[in-house]
This record gives sequence, C-alpha cells and structure tokens, in this order.
Amino acid sequence: QQQVKQSPQSLIVQKGGIPIINCAYENTAFDYFPWYQQFPGKGPALLIAIRPDVSEKKEGRFTISFNKSAKQFSLHIMDSQPGDSATYFCAPHPSGNTPLVFGKGTRLSVIA
Amino acid sequence: DGGITQSPKYLFRKEGQNVTLSCEQNLNHDAMYWYRQDPGQGLRLIYYSQIVNDFQKGDIAEGYSVSREKKESFPLTVTSAQKNPTAFYLCASSISRSQETQYFGPGTRLLVL
Repeated sequence: QQQVKQSPQSLIVQKGGIPIINCAYENTAFDYFPWYQQFPGKGPALLIAIRPDVSEKKEGRFTISFNKSAKQFSLHIMDSQPGDSATYFCAPHPSGNTPLVFGKGTRLSVIA
Repeated sequence: DGGITQSPKYLFRKEGQNVTLSCEQNLNHDAMYWYRQDPGQGLRLIYYSQIVNDFQKGDIAEGYSVSREKKESFPLTVTSAQKNPTAFYLCASSISRSQETQYFGPGTRLLVL
C-alpha cells in the first residue's frame, strides 16, 4: 500500500517566518506532487504542484522543493502572514487512473 | 458560476437512520469523489467514480453507498451500518480519469443525535 508521511502535525510561526512542511513517500510510482490548502470549515484547494522532472517551483510566496532520491517534497512559505493560517496537505498522484494519496495534514498557525 | 455544491451544510442523523448527502458539479468533470475528514486523520477516501454508472470503493467504504446516474451528481448515503458517522464530508471532482487535480466542495458536517 502506498504510504505518505507528512510532518510536522502542527506548526506555529511568527509573522514573517518561513514555515516548512515535509512530505515523504515510499512508492516511486508517483508522477505529480501537489499541496492543498484548507481553511477551517471549507474544502481544500490546490495551492501549488510540481512534476518530478524539476527540483523546485515558486509561485508567489510559496515554494515546493522536490528531492527525488530522498523521496520527499517540501512546502516553504516565505514571509508568512496570519492569513496563511490553515491546514496544508500533500497529496501525491500515483501513476495511472487512481486517486490522490493525501497526507494527514499540517495545521499551521502564523501569529502576529 | 461553475463549481461544486454540497447540501446540506449541517445534517443530523438519528440512531438507525440512513441519510443522504448531496453533491452536484457543473464543471463537466468526469470523475467525482467522497472523502471523510476527522480531526488529525486527514482526508480518507470513501468512494470514487470515474464515469457515469460506475464507481469504486475507497479505503473506508463500509457503511456507505453511492450512485452515479448523472455526470453532474454523486450522492452519498450514510447507512445505519456506519456506527461512527460524525465527521466532515467532502465531495470533489476532477476533469478526467487521470485525476491529477481535484476541486472540492464546501463540505457537509454530519452529527449524530
């Protein structure tokens, strides 16, 4: 069974800090590596994603770093703001027509 | 205005009662999914459907049933066999069978009386 391990479970940072959330996987047959953001009481939404042929992708203040040999990818949030307080999920996509595999989530709190 | 709608926002179930959660999408997406979310558990897949009149069990299908009679609709029934139904239920859809990006609805919170 495919395994995805996300860490940490929760994270508190000061405004302006750079929280880092990690996702490690055990199955090499993933072909797409997204992060989803969920605010309380809402459904998750795609935040940023990367394909395995690149090692880093930036979109605004959000960056994904991908390490294929270590089988892990990370989300970095630059200059974090209180509005970034949310739960973040990694959800790598297995090759073929099968659903995403969601991590258990990281609850981020950015305090002013 | 395209998107996924779920109703109701809150639902109360009595012991021994079946309840049905609605999920409708006007995105013309082929694939639809149901997830259950409990605190600290992340999202767990209940059922998914890649095409009309076809669906597959996810990781926690016991005590649930679904139908996919129309492309835009994928209702979930929580049966009396589901002994711990209290959770936040999320419906999602994706454009095609490759299912790389999922779009989520606002969720339904189910509570047991």
